[in-house]
Amino acid sequence: AQKITQTQPGMFVQEKEAVTLDCTYDTSDPSYGLFWYKQPSSGEMIFLIYQGSYDQQNATEGRYSLNFQKARKSANLVISASQLGDSAMYFCAMREDPEGGGNKLTFGTGTQLKVEL
Amino acid sequence: DGGITQSPKYLFRKEGQNVTLSCEQNLNHDAMYWYRQDPGQGLRLIYYSQIVNDFQKGDIAEGYSVSREKKESFPLTVTSAQKNPTAFYLCASSISLGLAGGREQFFGPGTRLTVL
Repeated sequence: AQKITQTQPGMFVQEKEAVTLDCTYDTSDPSYGLFWYKQPSSGEMIFLIYQGSYDQQNATEGRYSLNFQKARKSANLVISASQLGDSAMYFCAMREDPEGGGNKLTFGTGTQLKVEL
Repeated sequence: DGGITQSPKYLFRKEGQNVTLSCEQNLNHDAMYWYRQDPGQGLRLIYYSQIVNDFQKGDIAEGYSVSREKKESFPLTVTSAQKNPTAFYLCASSISLGLAGGREQFFGPGTRLTVL
């Protein structure tokens, strides 16, 4: 079974609109972390936002927020006020057992976001 | 500037040759990682190292080897045993596992390897 599932291969959004990129995960570990990364066409992975499994509030970083629904095992990324520079591939990733098992990340297959005028 | 460097950006090799990809970081991070990315796919972990002179296999270690002789450096060798080596290779680093926080991984710019 896939540990991280991103069901949207591609998304379009108009400039200045908000967009939600979906991510569901599968783990039996009570302690885990969820990450979102942005990969522009240059290839470098840029860290956007982190949510710990025990965090009570949804994470926010500027225009990025993470809609964390633990019971549904979803960690959707919301980008508000989209900009042309947001056009990129977006990856959801999970780290399981952060205290004992290392800092290994499992990545989803990504969502290609295109921001249009 | 602090960061992770990978060189070269593009690398071409003939089939059957071993090739070593470099990864250097000046972030003083203890942990380093190598990932492989194929077109339209997410990243898959090849090897990782939590401390100098120690490393562990990731999910797709066959046909690859690494060394960690210095904290700053984590080179990856793609051997002739790797059946399908053409891919985009990304190196990453993170702070010590014992510290609190998200412990996000910071990535280098990547090396695109093409085996002819």
